[in-house]
Amino acid sequence: EVQLVESGGGLIQPGGSLRLSCAASGLTVSDNYMSWVRQGPGKGLEWVSVIYRDSGTSTNYADSVKGRFTISRDNSKNTLFLQMNTLRVEDSAVYYCARVQKRGAYGMDVWGPGTTVTVSS
Amino acid sequence: DIQMTQSPSSLSASVGDRVTITCRASQSISNYLNWYQQKPGKAPKLLIYAASSLQSGVPSRFSGSGSGTDFTLTISTLQPEDFATYFCQQSYGTSPSFGGGSKVEIK
Repeated sequence: EVQLVESGGGLIQPGGSLRLSCAASGLTVSDNYMSWVRQGPGKGLEWVSVIYRDSGTSTNYADSVKGRFTISRDNSKNTLFLQMNTLRVEDSAVYYCARVQKRGAYGMDVWGPGTTVTVSS
Repeated sequence: DIQMTQSPSSLSASVGDRVTITCRASQSISNYLNWYQQKPGKAPKLLIYAASSLQSGVPSRFSGSGSGTDFTLTISTLQPEDFATYFCQQSYGTSPSFGGGSKVEIK
């Protein structure tokens, strides 16, 4: 069964750092484009970041997190990460990792259940 | 950045109704448009990719159409399990973006 499971969320003060993990099973993280998407309380979906497959480390970020967040992966652990620095109250959200489908219009076809990040003093 | 505008933001419908949700892009995105269903407390689920292709395992009552800037998601005969929020998402270029969502509620 193809599965993604996020972890690492929690309560953090503004300005703090947090590292989210996304453990994959049934798929190989390095063979896929992988994304992070977040959803603030009662809000819509916001794409956060993507890491592309193959040997490179090509990545992209939403303007709202550029320079503060870093996406990466550990191929040996088949795990995706999101390092979040200088956190702001507006970063509070459920964070989902998702696989980007290789066919068609790059839809996200596998999602984890999400992990909640709360930034508050 | 490409802005995605969905309408309506919410609607009330009955089981058996035909439901249509529209999504408009701020610039042409060809067919780089996907549709998702999300239920409360759950992750989104991919329904339609590339504007009109049905994702594997998704019931055929769901369909998508459109190209360029205007897109439509149609549920032909609404079922009880279809009450949820629906999001469109463009994947044209390097920065994907989502519409604001359309909540389908029970009348």
